[in-house]
Amino acid sequence: SQTIHQWPATLVQPVGSPLSLECTVEGTSNPNLYWYRQAAGRGLQLLFYSVGIGQISSEVPQNLSASRPQDRQFILSSKKLLLSDSGFYLCAWAGTGFGGNTIYFGEGSWLTVV
Amino acid sequence: QKEVEQNSGPLSVPEGAIASLNCTYSDRGSQSFFWYRQYSGKSPELIMSIYSNGDKEDGRFTAQLNKASQYVSLLIRDSQPSDSATYLCAVNGNNFNKFYFGSGTKLNVKP
Repeated sequence: SQTIHQWPATLVQPVGSPLSLECTVEGTSNPNLYWYRQAAGRGLQLLFYSVGIGQISSEVPQNLSASRPQDRQFILSSKKLLLSDSGFYLCAWAGTGFGGNTIYFGEGSWLTVV
Repeated sequence: QKEVEQNSGPLSVPEGAIASLNCTYSDRGSQSFFWYRQYSGKSPELIMSIYSNGDKEDGRFTAQLNKASQYVSLLIRDSQPSDSATYLCAVNGNNFNKFYFGSGTKLNVKP
């Protein structure tokens, strides 16, 4: 069966510091991968998605970036964090192809920028 | 206009009642529709998916889809206190690589 893991689970970072969140998927190949952010009490905002190695689509202009160095690895980064970057970050994967796509989430990472 | 809209609630129902959650979407080309449950502080977990007009039942849950009205709903029968959570509606749009989520409806089931 497929599993998805992301880490770290929680982190507190000062403004201006860098960020790296990592996510890996097991049990599937060539998945679509996603990063979402959920601000407190809000819905899920799609940040990035990737349909293959090195292919990244950005949904929202901001100081975050994403990379996919391997088929089942997805990384979210920032060079300098802002207070507004605080939130719950969710990595997700989905199968490819029309009909039957379903998106599954990792455990999430709580980021507090202070 | 947001791609997916939900009433934020909270929706309060007594234990044993039917809870009805609603969602509308803007992309008429959307193909797949999902309901997720999210407990406070946790990641969303899939409840049901629906792809065709009509009803789909799974245990106490029934999803309803009306593509003409661009409307999706979730009925929870015999609601339990453990059903208290935020319910997220999601849509896989015309670009089926993207999934858009509503802001969620908070459900409180009172014992």
